[in-house]
Amino acid sequence: AQSVTQPDIHITVSEGASLELRCNYSYGATPYLFWYVQSPGQGLQLLLKYFSGDTLVQGIKGFEAEFKRSQSSFNLRKPSVHWSDAAEYFCAANFGNEKLTFGTGTRLTIIP
Amino acid sequence: GAVVSQHPSRVICKSGTSVKIECRSLDFQATTMFWYRQFPKQSLMLMATSNEGSKATYEQGVEKDKFLINHASLTLSTLTVTSAHPEDSSFYICSAAKERGWDQPQHFGDGTRLSIL
Repeated sequence: AQSVTQPDIHITVSEGASLELRCNYSYGATPYLFWYVQSPGQGLQLLLKYFSGDTLVQGIKGFEAEFKRSQSSFNLRKPSVHWSDAAEYFCAANFGNEKLTFGTGTRLTIIP
Repeated sequence: GAVVSQHPSRVICKSGTSVKIECRSLDFQATTMFWYRQFPKQSLMLMATSNEGSKATYEQGVEKDKFLINHASLTLSTLTVTSAHPEDSSFYICSAAKERGWDQPQHFGDGTRLSIL
C-alpha cells in the first residue's frame, strides 16, 4: 500500500543545533515528495519539493531535504535551527494522481 | 505568489445550522482545489477534490450530502457543512493547485476552526 511514514512524533532541539526530520514512503516507484510546515492554528506552507534530478533539494527558510531511493526516504534537514522553526512538519507524497498523502507529522520544539 | 485565502478563520455555531467556508486563490487561477479535515494533533485527511465547473470527487467515507462543495470559478471554492453537529467540529483546510497533474504543488489556506455547540 502507498503510504508516508514520519517515525518521530515529537522532537526537541536546542536553538542553534542541527535538525533532521525523518520521512519514509512506501511505493513501487518514485513519488513526488513534499515537506510542509504548519504553525499552530494555521494552514500549511510548502518548504520544498522533489520531483526528479538532483537528490539534494534546497527549500525556503534554510531547509534542505535529501532523497534516497535505496532507503525510500526524504529526510528534512537544517544546519542551525531558530526558535521560529518551532512548528509541526508534514512530509507528503503524490503517488501518481492529484492527491497528497500526508505523514502523521512531527512536532518540533526548540529550547533556548 | 500562490496565496490562498480561507474565510472565516473561526466559526462557532449551534448544532443544526449550516456553515459555509470559502477558499479563494488570490493571485492565481486554481484548476483544482482540495478540502481537508484535520483532527487535533493529527494529520490532514483529504475529504474531496474539486475541479472548476465539475462535481467534486469525494473520498471514501465522506458524506457528500453533508459536506457540499462548490467550485464555481477558477478562484473560489466553497465547503458547506450542512446541519452541523458537534462531531463535525474540526479544523478544515483548503488547498489549491494551479493546474491539474500530480507534479503540481498545493498551496494551502490558513484553515477554518469550526466549533459546533
